[in-house]
Amino acid sequence: GQQLNQSPQSMFIQEGEDVSMNCTSSSIFNTWLWYKQDPGEGPVLLIALYKAGELTSNGRLTAQFGITRKDSFLNISASIPSDVGIYFCAGQTGANNLFFGTGTRLTVIP
Amino acid sequence: GAVVSQHPSWVICKSGTSVKIECRSLDFQATTMFWYRQFPKQSLMLMATSNEGSKATYEQGVEKDKFLINHASLTLSTLTVTSAHPEDSSFYICSARETGIQPQHFGDGTRLSIL
Repeated sequence: GQQLNQSPQSMFIQEGEDVSMNCTSSSIFNTWLWYKQDPGEGPVLLIALYKAGELTSNGRLTAQFGITRKDSFLNISASIPSDVGIYFCAGQTGANNLFFGTGTRLTVIP
Repeated sequence: GAVVSQHPSWVICKSGTSVKIECRSLDFQATTMFWYRQFPKQSLMLMATSNEGSKATYEQGVEKDKFLINHASLTLSTLTVTSAHPEDSSFYICSARETGIQPQHFGDGTRLSIL
């Protein structure tokens, strides 16, 4: 399958700080998605990106679809304790083919 | 909208038992559903794509006779782990998407523990 590398693997930040994580691939994707997974639960969709260069926000979250279509980043501003979790990027080629990144584990220290 | 319900959320059973997991799309019709497996501290790995009214498509290395998938309606897909053994213990997650280029929405997962 496709390999999507996410960095960093984990982050420890102070409440109120901004967070930035990214996802890179050697392959081109038509859609980039960002999900958040809490322990023992399924991933929840945060942001979907459908066009190269697209910049989309969802509250304190902002994500961009890279111009090369091989990367994407997610920023979280003014982090709060409930932002704790694992963030996964996912790239999609056709209607079905969804490939997940390796995940970024975020810990927010109050 | 786009709510996916998975049941049960947690199963503990003896080795050799078959376990059925249900995945339902509650407020939309899903011609395609997906089954993933996730080991601790790892990412999601696609096991199979479930197509309503036809056979599922399995990923390489996934035994179709071990993991039986049925997608009998536009809102329900089931995964049956047959003759489960301890190595089948994992977190199984389903997803579904609406028709067209729509994102996948995930259920809350089923934690399967085989003793």
